[in-house]
Amino acid sequence: ETGVTQTPRHLVMGMTNKKSLKCEQHLGHNAMYWYKQSAKKPLELMFVYNFKEQTENNSVPSRFSPECPNSSHLFLHLHTLQPEDSALYLCASSQDLGSTVYEQYFGPGTRLTVT
Amino acid sequence: GQQLNQSPQSMFIQEGEDVSMNCTSSSIFNTWLWYKQDPGEGPVLLIALYKAGELTSNGRLTAQFGITRKDSFLNISASIPSDVGIYFCAGQLGYALNFGKGTSLLVTP
Repeated sequence: ETGVTQTPRHLVMGMTNKKSLKCEQHLGHNAMYWYKQSAKKPLELMFVYNFKEQTENNSVPSRFSPECPNSSHLFLHLHTLQPEDSALYLCASSQDLGSTVYEQYFGPGTRLTVT
Repeated sequence: GQQLNQSPQSMFIQEGEDVSMNCTSSSIFNTWLWYKQDPGEGPVLLIALYKAGELTSNGRLTAQFGITRKDSFLNISASIPSDVGIYFCAGQLGYALNFGKGTSLLVTP
């Protein structure tokens, strides 16, 4: 596979469930990102990892917990979510944060619905 | 993040027409990127601009990095039905990308 993949593509969960989103990139990049995309809003950056180290947590509630075991994989662990957390969650990757190439490549997203 | 104003919010055009959309900011950016997002998919990178004044083409798409570094525009020539989607601009400062709200493009045959 090439590019950035995300699983699952769709997820429906109750407010008391625990689930995880997975992202994998096959581009040889070292920086990975989680974004939230809600209707009528710009993409919101949630977390940034560079060479497996978290460099940014953009004031995200603790019910979202990221994990980056290596430069190719990124997870977002979800627990006790709220209905307003329903959105498209996008993963992206780029070369690394020290590079002068700033192009980010996105996965297809996970459509999350919290009931 | 820095706020980007993207316009128009939506466009409804006929196949074959040319399209123009732009993005402005009160802040200076070092890089401008343009993405297209199809329904149910993630954004796909169309064009990256790295120098003020730079004009870059990708097939029927042409984008320019404004000379003030505070704006960018994207043109699509001779639109076709598969151009339908949402087009996002993104400005880069540091390692973060700041995204506009998108321009929704509808093309009728």
